[in-house]
Amino acid sequence: AQKVTQAQTEISVVEKEDVTLDCVYETRDTTYYLFWYKQPPSGELVFLIRRNSFDEQNEISGRYSWNFQKSTSSFNFTITASQVVDSAVYFCALSEAEGNQFYFGTGTSLTVIP
Amino acid sequence: DADVTQTPRNRITKTGKRIMLECSQTKGHDRMYWYRQDPGLGLRLIYYSFDVKDINKGEISDGYSVSRQAQAKFSLSLESAIPNQTALYFCATSDGWTDQETQYFGPGTRLLVL
Repeated sequence: AQKVTQAQTEISVVEKEDVTLDCVYETRDTTYYLFWYKQPPSGELVFLIRRNSFDEQNEISGRYSWNFQKSTSSFNFTITASQVVDSAVYFCALSEAEGNQFYFGTGTSLTVIP
Repeated sequence: DADVTQTPRNRITKTGKRIMLECSQTKGHDRMYWYRQDPGLGLRLIYYSFDVKDINKGEISDGYSVSRQAQAKFSLSLESAIPNQTALYFCATSDGWTDQETQYFGPGTRLLVL
């Protein structure tokens, strides 16, 4: 079974629209970490945010915000007022404290249309 | 200078050839990882190493081998390349002690096996 599910394979929005990327995870550990990475067309993987399982506070960084809800095992990512430069593939990932591996979702490809 | 570097950045090889992908890091991290990325499949872990004397298989280690020459260097070898090993390969590092398992990625190596 997939430990990290990103059900949205591709999303297209018009510039300045808000968009939310969904991430659902599965783990039995009580201590774990959740991540979002951005992969622009150039191919590198850029770390965006880390959340640990004991911190359910939502976080905002500029136009980016993250909503962590343990009750629904979700860690969703919202981009407000999207821009063309936000076009990329976004990956959600899980790291379990008891294990030694990262588990990546299959990614959501976001296209922002000017 | 980049903290995690990979060489080569692009490689074309023929079926049956042995090739080596190299990764170096200046972050001082003990943990290093090799992943491959295929379209629609996200990133999958090939091997990981928590220190120079520790090597572990990941999800898809068949057909690959690794060498941890020093804390800063982790090489991935394809002993006899085959076409389905055509992929984008990433090296990553992490410091489990202070950075809550965040992984930092190199720029990737695009490998084409003909």
